[in-house]
Amino acid sequence: DSGVTQTPKHLITATGQRVTLRCSPRSGDLSVYWYQQSLDQGLQFLIQYYNGEERAKGNILERFSAQQFPDLHSELNLSSLELGDSALYFCASTTSGSPTEAFFGQGTRLTVV
Amino acid sequence: LAKTTQPISMDSYEGQEVNITCSHNNIATNDYITWYQQFPSQGPRFIIQGYKTKVTNEVASLFIPADRKSSTLSLPRVSLSDTAVYYCLVVGAGGGNKLTFGTGTQLKVEL
Repeated sequence: DSGVTQTPKHLITATGQRVTLRCSPRSGDLSVYWYQQSLDQGLQFLIQYYNGEERAKGNILERFSAQQFPDLHSELNLSSLELGDSALYFCASTTSGSPTEAFFGQGTRLTVV
Repeated sequence: LAKTTQPISMDSYEGQEVNITCSHNNIATNDYITWYQQFPSQGPRFIIQGYKTKVTNEVASLFIPADRKSSTLSLPRVSLSDTAVYYCLVVGAGGGNKLTFGTGTQLKVEL
C-alpha cells in the first residue's frame, strides 16, 4: 500500500459525459501528479500541483482540468469524454515540490463507451 | 529536460543478474537518476535513486559513471515476479518537474 488513495477504482461512462477522479496523497505530501496510461501505452504526464498551486503541465487536453484543495487532495475533471479517453489514470504524490521518491495510487480505470 | 533512452525489452532467466542501461546524455548538474518498476494495471513503484557512483538497496543496485550520461540498474538473481516494465527517469532537484516517464524496458523473466 503506497498510501495514495484514488477513487473510484473503476468508472464506465458514455461519450460526451463528464467525470471527476479523486486522489488523496500520502499524509504530509504536498505535491500531486496526474498521469494517463492508455492500453499498452506509456505513462503520459498530465499535470502537477504543489500545495494547491499548479506547478507543471504536460500533455493535458483542454477538456481536462485539475485542482488541488486546501486539504491537499486533488481532483481531475474530464469533460466531453471521447472513446480515446479510456485509460488508466494514476496520481502520485511526493513530499516536496521536487519529485524524488514518488508514490503512486492504484489508479482509476476509465472506460468510455 | 534530459531525455532518456533504454532498451525496449529484455529477456532473462530466473536466478540471473539483469542489467538495464539507460542513456541520458543531457543530464543537468542538479538532476538525479531514478528508477521505477511497473506491473500491469498497477501504478509504478520507486526502486532506487542515485546521483553518482553506486547506490545499493535491498532490491537493486544503481551504477552511475563519472560523466553521469548513463546509468545501469542491476537486479540480482531475478525471479518470475520481477517481470515488469522498468523506467529510468532523470529528475531535477528543483520544483516544477514533470516526472516524465519514457517508454521503459519490458523485462521478461522465464524459468
